[in-house]
Amino acid sequence: EPEVTQTPSHQVTQMGQEVILRCVPISNHLYFYWYRQILGQKVEFLVSFYNNEISEKSEIFDDQFSVERPDGSNFTLKIRSTKLEDSAMYFCASSRLAGAQGTQYFGPGTRLLVL
Amino acid sequence: GNSVTQMEGPVTLSEEAFLTINCTYTATGYPSLFWYVQYPGEGLQLLLKATKADDKGSNKGFEATYRKETTSFHLEKGSVQVSDSAVYFCALIFRSNDYKLSFGAGTTVTVRA
Repeated sequence: EPEVTQTPSHQVTQMGQEVILRCVPISNHLYFYWYRQILGQKVEFLVSFYNNEISEKSEIFDDQFSVERPDGSNFTLKIRSTKLEDSAMYFCASSRLAGAQGTQYFGPGTRLLVL
Repeated sequence: GNSVTQMEGPVTLSEEAFLTINCTYTATGYPSLFWYVQYPGEGLQLLLKATKADDKGSNKGFEATYRKETTSFHLEKGSVQVSDSAVYFCALIFRSNDYKLSFGAGTTVTVRA
């Protein structure tokens, strides 16, 4: 069964450094997403991406964040200058359809720790 | 705005006990409703879903019925196993052109042998 994969599984970085989190969505999916879960808190939506552009983003997704689909298979989340409060589990998801008809399938997550 | 309220945990049960996790939602209109499960050390997995009123989603012995009149989507399983120990998340997506899933806080369930 196809699945969403993410690398790395864990990343430790120093405050102010740039990080890139990588995801390989399910191959015939068209919509891609990033969510995050700060320890002990809700899973929060960050951004959705379709047809090579951002379709929706939350207020968390400020200028420090960017997403890219550099080729036909990868989907990346870049944090330009990490802050302590960026420490969280980051989940990538993909779906074939959008909205209420689209089921989002999640990857295993990348745990990011900013020191 | 749209929101999901889940029963707070943690919940601890013995094997073969009956499990219910309450989930209610606030939304204008008729969202699609989901239950996701997160096993220890793993990512979020879709457990079941329902896209319209009175639909029943089911998977792995779990069931949930979309109740429009009570705006609820409670998760139930008649006889839990130790392997059901996980965090369970209720979620909704609102409109046909909405992109984001809105999650509840999650309920940690521990099943003891």
